[in-house]
Amino acid sequence: EDKVVQSPLSLVVHEGDTVTLNCSYEVTNFRSLLWYKQEKKAPTFLFMLTSSGIEKKSGRLSSILDKKELFSILNITATQTGDSAIYLCAVKTSGSRLTFGEGTQLTVNP
Amino acid sequence: GAGVSQSPRYKVAKRGQDVALRCDPISGHVSLFWYQQALGQGPEFLTYFQNEAQLDKSGLPSDRFFAERPEGSVSTLKIQRTQQEDSAVYLCASSLATWTSNNEQFFGPGTRLTVL
Repeated sequence: EDKVVQSPLSLVVHEGDTVTLNCSYEVTNFRSLLWYKQEKKAPTFLFMLTSSGIEKKSGRLSSILDKKELFSILNITATQTGDSAIYLCAVKTSGSRLTFGEGTQLTVNP
Repeated sequence: GAGVSQSPRYKVAKRGQDVALRCDPISGHVSLFWYQQALGQGPEFLTYFQNEAQLDKSGLPSDRFFAERPEGSVSTLKIQRTQQEDSAVYLCASSLATWTSNNEQFFGPGTRLTVL
């Protein structure tokens, strides 16, 4: 059975801090790993990673994949209160589904 | 519209009632997915459509759950004889191409179902 594990499950930081969110996976037929941000509505797409060692970056957010050690990290620098959300990691395999982790609840306090 | 839309946004049902949840995917998107998200959990796959064909329904938790997409665009998820454990957010997602490609899925806002 495909499995995705995220850590920590929750995190509370102050504005300006840097955070690292972790995602490890055990799946068959890995195709890609995706990060989503979920506030009180639809998960919104952040990154798709398919190759090891290539960092993807968007503003203060960046992510990298290690296909040998089967994990990915999502970094957020200079956090803002608007970064408060649940961050979901999902893995796409050769089937049709995405397998999601439980998510990391990030709270950024002013 | 520009994104995936779902209706209703909130639904309260008495145990035993039937419910129907609607999803309007992004226009032209071939693939459509339904997920169930329980409180404090990540979304869990329910079913997948490629155009009007339901290619994977292995995630449907019981035969009380039924989904259709008769014309390859709008989809309906129906839950018969609802139970309290069906309470969750039901998310719909669409993707431009078929499941064999590596496109991201775009999610709708979800329908929050509460079964009393």
